[in-house]
Amino acid sequence: QVQLQESGPGLVKPSGTLSLTCAVSGGSISSTNWWSWVRQPPGKGLEWIGEIYHSGSINYNPSLKSRVTISLDKSKNQFSLKLSSVTAADTAVYFCARRGYPGPFDIWGQGTMVTVAS
Amino acid sequence: ETVLTQSPGTLSLSPGERATLSCRASQSVSSSYLAWYQQKPGQAPRLLIYGTSTRATGIPDRFSGSGSGTDFTLTISRLEPEDFAVYCCQQYGSSPWTFGQGTKVEIK
Repeated sequence: QVQLQESGPGLVKPSGTLSLTCAVSGGSISSTNWWSWVRQPPGKGLEWIGEIYHSGSINYNPSLKSRVTISLDKSKNQFSLKLSSVTAADTAVYFCARRGYPGPFDIWGQGTMVTVAS
Repeated sequence: ETVLTQSPGTLSLSPGERATLSCRASQSVSSSYLAWYQQKPGQAPRLLIYGTSTRATGIPDRFSGSGSGTDFTLTISRLEPEDFAVYCCQQYGSSPWTFGQGTKVEIK
């Protein structure tokens, strides 16, 4: 079955860029699904960041749109997140997730904690 | 943006009891595109219910969802020890997709 695995630095300096990758295994990233990023600050609720389709279509949460870039690498069967100009408020567990269309987030990665600190 | 408000914030119940969780949307959720997730500490959310009332694969039938428009409910008919967790709702009817803040179901 499809599995997702996030990877990337666990510590990012303020004003820097957060970069994460999600590897997709057990299935193709070119399937009819959207590939999403969701985050969860410590002790808080979930926030959708954005998503990408294999055609290159992208949707971003307007609240983060000016700082977010999501891309996809079909050859490596993975997708990535870049969040620029980070502050302590961006400290969170970052999840990658699969979403059908239309559909909920049915498969999730285990999540990776990213701390913004100097 | 559709804001989802869950109540109560915490539900204290005993195993075997019935749990009723509420999710209210700031505007009507298109096509009843409302999902429920269970999340345990240190774990990713797990999809329980989608389309308001359809159980995801492998979800036991003690979990049920109902509602329409702006008011939705997750019911756990008889709480098992493994059901004590945080539950959150999510709408996927209109972008940006949004989540409720969660209801914690704790052991009384």
